[in-house]
Amino acid sequence: EDKVVQSPLSLVVHEGDTVTLNCSYEVTNFRSLLWYKQEKKAPTFLFMLTSSGIEKKSGRLSSILDKKELFSILNITATQTGDSAVYLCAVDGDDKIIFGKGTRLHILP
Amino acid sequence: NAGVTQTPKFQVLKTGQSMTLQCAQDMNHEYMSWYRQDPGMGLRLIHYSVGAGITDQGEVPNGYNVSRSTTEDFPLRLLSAAPSQTSVYFCASRHYKGLEQYFGPGTRLTVT
Repeated sequence: EDKVVQSPLSLVVHEGDTVTLNCSYEVTNFRSLLWYKQEKKAPTFLFMLTSSGIEKKSGRLSSILDKKELFSILNITATQTGDSAVYLCAVDGDDKIIFGKGTRLHILP
Repeated sequence: NAGVTQTPKFQVLKTGQSMTLQCAQDMNHEYMSWYRQDPGMGLRLIHYSVGAGITDQGEVPNGYNVSRSTTEDFPLRLLSAAPSQTSVYFCASRHYKGLEQYFGPGTRLTVT
C-alpha cells in the first residue's frame, strides 16, 4: 500500500530559526515527490523532485530527495512569521498523487 | 483561463441526502482527482481519473461516486450523506506528464 509519512506533525520555532521537515514514502512506480504549502485555502506548489541528490531552491526554501532511502527533506532558513503554514509532502506514483498528513509549522515573532 | 473551478463553495446537507460537487478545468488536463481534508489530516485521495471515460478508486472511495464523460468535468457524487463525510473537498488536475497539480478553491461540506 502506498504511503507518505511526514515528521514532525507540528513544530513551533522562533523567527530566524532554521527548520527541517521530513518526508518518507513507499509508493509503486515512483515518478516524483512534491512539496506544498497550505495556509487557509488550497495547497500551493513549492517543489517537484524527481532525481536523487539534486537540491531545489527557492529563496529561503530548499529541498532534496534521496531515492535510495525513500526520503526527502524541506529546509527553511531564517524563518519568518509568514512561513507559518501546513507543509504537505506528496508522492506521484501509478497515475495518482498521495499526500502525507502534513507538518504544521508555527513561527513565533 | 479560469484554472480549476469548484461549486458550491459551501454546502450543508442532512444525513441521507444526496448531492453532486462540481469540478471543471479549462487547461485540457488529462488527470483529475478528488481529495478530502479533515482537521489535522493531509489530503486523502477519494477517486481519480486519467482521462475521459476512465476512473479509479483512491484511498477513501466508499460513499462516493465519480464519472468522467468529458475532459473538462469531474463531478463527485455523495449517494447518501453521512456526518463522517463532513470535510473540505478539493478537486485537482494536471497534465499526464506530471509537473504541477493545480487545485480548485475547495468545497466545505457539513452533514448534520
